[in-house]
Amino acid sequence: QKEVEQDPGPLSVPEGAIVSLNCTYSNSAFQYFMWYRQYSRKGPELLMYTYSSGNKEDGRFTAQVDKSSKYISLFIRDSQPSDSATYLCAMSDFGGSEKLVFGKGTKLTVNP
Amino acid sequence: DAGVTQSPTHLIKTRGQQVTLRCSPKSGHDTVSWYQQALGQGPQFIFQYYEEEERQRGNFPDRFSGHQFPNYSSELNVNALLLGDSALYLCASSLVDRVYGYTFGSGTRLTVV
Repeated sequence: QKEVEQDPGPLSVPEGAIVSLNCTYSNSAFQYFMWYRQYSRKGPELLMYTYSSGNKEDGRFTAQVDKSSKYISLFIRDSQPSDSATYLCAMSDFGGSEKLVFGKGTKLTVNP
Repeated sequence: DAGVTQSPTHLIKTRGQQVTLRCSPKSGHDTVSWYQQALGQGPQFIFQYYEEEERQRGNFPDRFSGHQFPNYSSELNVNALLLGDSALYLCASSLVDRVYGYTFGSGTRLTVV
């Protein structure tokens, strides 16, 4: 079993839709949870991060962490064509390791 | 303020050859990590350098080695290249112990033929 599982999609939605992206994980030591966005031919850029369980909102983006279920989500409201990219979840236990463990990424296309 | 700079952007090498990739971290950052991203996959951690020492290493063979210089820039060396080493190699810089503060470069696309 991989440490982090992420449905690679691809996911295609109309402009204005609500998008839900998800990851599951197996390592209960993970405490730090991040979502990165990666445009074609670019490196990942950090979108949001959360520590432990709970919700965090930033504009059109909401990140949720459910440690009891080992499940994290990213919601994008009012999706725009400029949101078209690959979204990567990443996790770290930090205390024991600074490495990030990434999911495979979900390729999202928002159609105008 | 320049972010993370990687060179070259693209590279084609033959099996068995050796390659060196370079990374200049974001201004003010002291830690450099290297990741390998195969096509359609998420990045995988290779190793991290801080104070010119390898601080942590992922599950990569000894053919992968690195170096950090006093100005915090870094090199990734891969010996005896295999076809399977073809990937996007990403450098990420940060301040030590700041797991949220990673800034990634745009990567070096390595193709082994």
